[in-house]
Order: sequence, then structure tokens, then C-alpha cells
Amino acid sequence: GESVGLHLPTLSVQEGDNSIINCAYSNSASDYFIWYKQESGKGPQFIIDIRSNMDKRQGQRVTVLLNKTVKHLSLQIAATQPGDSAVYFCAENNNAGNMLTFGGGTRLMVKP
Amino acid sequence: EPEVTQTPSHQVTQMGQEVILRCVPISNHLYFYWYRQILGQKVEFLVSFYNNEISEKSEIFDDQFSVERPDGSNFTLKIRSTKLEDSAMYFCASSLPLSEAFFGQGTRLTVV
Repeated sequence: GESVGLHLPTLSVQEGDNSIINCAYSNSASDYFIWYKQESGKGPQFIIDIRSNMDKRQGQRVTVLLNKTVKHLSLQIAATQPGDSAVYFCAENNNAGNMLTFGGGTRLMVKP
Repeated sequence: EPEVTQTPSHQVTQMGQEVILRCVPISNHLYFYWYRQILGQKVEFLVSFYNNEISEKSEIFDDQFSVERPDGSNFTLKIRSTKLEDSAMYFCASSLPLSEAFFGQGTRLTVV
């Protein structure tokens, strides 16, 4: 969901557990969605993407689910590791242009 | 692996001064972007550039901002007269059409 200022939503999980990070997007015309991972002091790093003609896409240890009916996107991380600790942003893009609109971010903290 | 590179990594400038942030996008990419991120907040779109012209810009990208691709490799963001509120991380990104944007490591701009 959206964040306000410094108060990012935080998800704290135990190492080895699965993580689910959620995102609500606003533009029903958006047809391309991306999850980015941002570690402290670094730029956003691409994780996985999905187009609107799909509702699920799997990568290595990550799965993105898209529910266009309720405009909801989720990122599932299997067997979460300490290296997964970061802020995760969803981003949406509509076919009219190449502008990415980022969501507010969720901080994932992995406890060893 | 090709990457987007940005220089400098940190720029300190006095209020009212001009700054130029530099980026070298991935060589075969066609779209170029500038985003900014105020500390602890989400990534905000500034401008996209395609075919040697601005294709989209946000409300943030006012007359104080300009972009240029002076040669075949560099992409620059100029802020004419910096304000305190321009202090942020500035990320350059590049992409192929309708594909994920790859981000640089960012330039931290501090206006004093």
C-alpha cells in the first residue's frame, strides 16, 4: 500500500519463511507492472514483471500475482533469506507511454 | 552485465547554484528517464526522453529542470537554480520500449 513520509509499511519475517508483499495500483489503464527491490543507498533493482494479459508469473523464488478486478498486485518470495531484506516497490506503466509510477514501498526485514 | 552509470555519486551545492547530473544509459536502450527520491519516500518520476526529445514529464519537472543528450552516450539533468527542497537522490534509468527500466546507483544531491 501507500506510505506516508518515513513511515513505510514493514513486513518482518523469519528466515526460511515465505513473504507476501502487497500493492494496490490506481490506474485501470495500466497494463504492465514491475516489482523493484531497493537496498539502502542503491537504485531500484528489477525483480520481476507481469503484463495485464497474465495473472501470474514465476521467477526464481519469486512469484507475482495480478488481480485486475481489484487492482491488486502481490509479490511472493519463497524461503526468504537475509539478503532479501530491502524496500520493495511496485511500479505500473500504461501503454500510452513509458512512465513508471511507483507505489509507496514496503520494507521487508528478515530475521535470522 | 550492462548497467546504467551515474556521476557524481554525491553532489553538494549552494542554494541558487546550477547543477548538472550525468548518466550513461545502457547502450542499446531507447528510452531514458530521470527519477528522484526524497529520503525515505517513494521514487517519483521526473521526465522521460525518447528520440531526442522529452516524451513525458511530471509536475515536478518545471522550468528549472532540463535534460539533454549531448552525444550518443550521455544523458544529463540540469537544475538551473537549486532550492533546498531539491535535495534528494536522483536516479537515471533506461529501457527498451515497453520493458523494465534499469536504474543507476543514483546521485545524492544536497543543497545547502
